[in-house]
Amino acid sequence: GQQLNQSPQSMFIQEGEDVSMNCTSSSIFNTWLWYKQDPGEGPVLLIALYKAGELTSNGRLTAQFGITRKDSFLNISASIPSDVGIYFCAGQDPGTASKLTFGTGTRLQVTL
Amino acid sequence: EAGVVQSPRYKIIEKKQPVAFWCNPISGHNTLYWYRQNLGQGPELLIRYENEEAVDDSQLPKDRFSAERLKGVDSTLKIQPAELGDSAVYLCASSLGGEVYGYTFGSGTRLTVV
Repeated sequence: GQQLNQSPQSMFIQEGEDVSMNCTSSSIFNTWLWYKQDPGEGPVLLIALYKAGELTSNGRLTAQFGITRKDSFLNISASIPSDVGIYFCAGQDPGTASKLTFGTGTRLQVTL
Repeated sequence: EAGVVQSPRYKIIEKKQPVAFWCNPISGHNTLYWYRQNLGQGPELLIRYENEEAVDDSQLPKDRFSAERLKGVDSTLKIQPAELGDSAVYLCASSLGGEVYGYTFGSGTRLTVV
């Protein structure tokens, strides 16, 4: 099945650094979502974006819904050790209201 | 509030054997989803239920996979017979009316086929 392209695939950063990752699609979405998945757990929703151009923050996380509706960006400021995990973007299929198409994931490692 | 509950957490079986996974969604959530997550990949939808009706099973390999959601609550996903390529994490999620913000995943069942 289709998977969205995420980059980078993995990141190793030091505590306190800012992080940026993005997600691109060949098709448009009405909603973009960002999830975090810890080992042995299911994905947990971080941010939802509903409108092209929208910029939304959740604490140290900021995400943007691209103008073309085919991409999205997630930034994490001042990273801390508990930010470690895999971050997935997901697009909500405009043709099927509740179906989500996920990205390939960005693995984040934070060193002290 | 209890989250989405899945069991078992882990399952190891030999190829050609059957296996079943169980999911109990969040109370009141009428929409239930089964996703498969291969190693190093994001989840991919297998089947979506609205109450007890399977409204999207286009990605379910119907030759060996089956699912049911009796009475519109709990759901079971079955594989018979299992193949080596079925090794993955099977995630269940539920939501109220397909609403994105309430879309909640369970912890998944990690299946290893040997």
